[in-house]
Amino acid sequence: GENVEQHPSTLSVQEGDSAVIKCTYSDSASNYFPWYKQELGKRPQLIIDIRSNVGEKKDQRIAVTLNKTAKHFSLHITETQPEDSAVYFCAASMDQPGNQFYFGTGTSLTVIP
Amino acid sequence: NAGVTQTPKFQVLKTGQSMTLQCAQDMNHEYMSWYRQDPGMGLRLIHYSVGAGITDQGEVPNGYNVSRSTTEDFPLRLLSAAPSQTSVYFCASSDGGAGRYEQYFGPGTRLTVT
Repeated sequence: GENVEQHPSTLSVQEGDSAVIKCTYSDSASNYFPWYKQELGKRPQLIIDIRSNVGEKKDQRIAVTLNKTAKHFSLHITETQPEDSAVYFCAASMDQPGNQFYFGTGTSLTVIP
Repeated sequence: NAGVTQTPKFQVLKTGQSMTLQCAQDMNHEYMSWYRQDPGMGLRLIHYSVGAGITDQGEVPNGYNVSRSTTEDFPLRLLSAAPSQTSVYFCASSDGGAGRYEQYFGPGTRLTVT
């Protein structure tokens, strides 16, 4: 089955700096890569996703890049704010009905004011 | 819409006891899943369902049963609780239609087995 690795496990940045979280996956059939944000004690919520026919996608301060050849994708958060502090999970899946999601182990991001 | 709901929010069991974690969604989603979340291990799939009457095993199914008699409900049963099942359990649902694979998570159930 698919194996998703995520790094780093913890990340601290100063407010206003950028944060980058990286994931690798093993199954070349995976073609849908969502990122979820989980605030303390809350449920995971989708923040951005990318499909394999796209190399980069942006949504305001958040961007995701995908390198299908190298089987890795990254989350970039610019101009970080304290409210960005949370645990971020990457996932990989096949873009089809009934797909299973395979999650990374999570990155705990702390933005220091 | 309430989205995905789970009950209870917290539960303490003794080893060997059984219980059912409830999950319901009101979005008419075909696909529902159960995950457990443990520190440092991310979200791991326990069981999933692609529609009423259809279930399948995920990555860590041992010790758990599921059924899907209606589109709305997807209960998770712990047959004989063990301390290794102490975890936070999330139910999720998704539409599954073309391009609509976002998973919507419930609020979670924190289970402690002593």
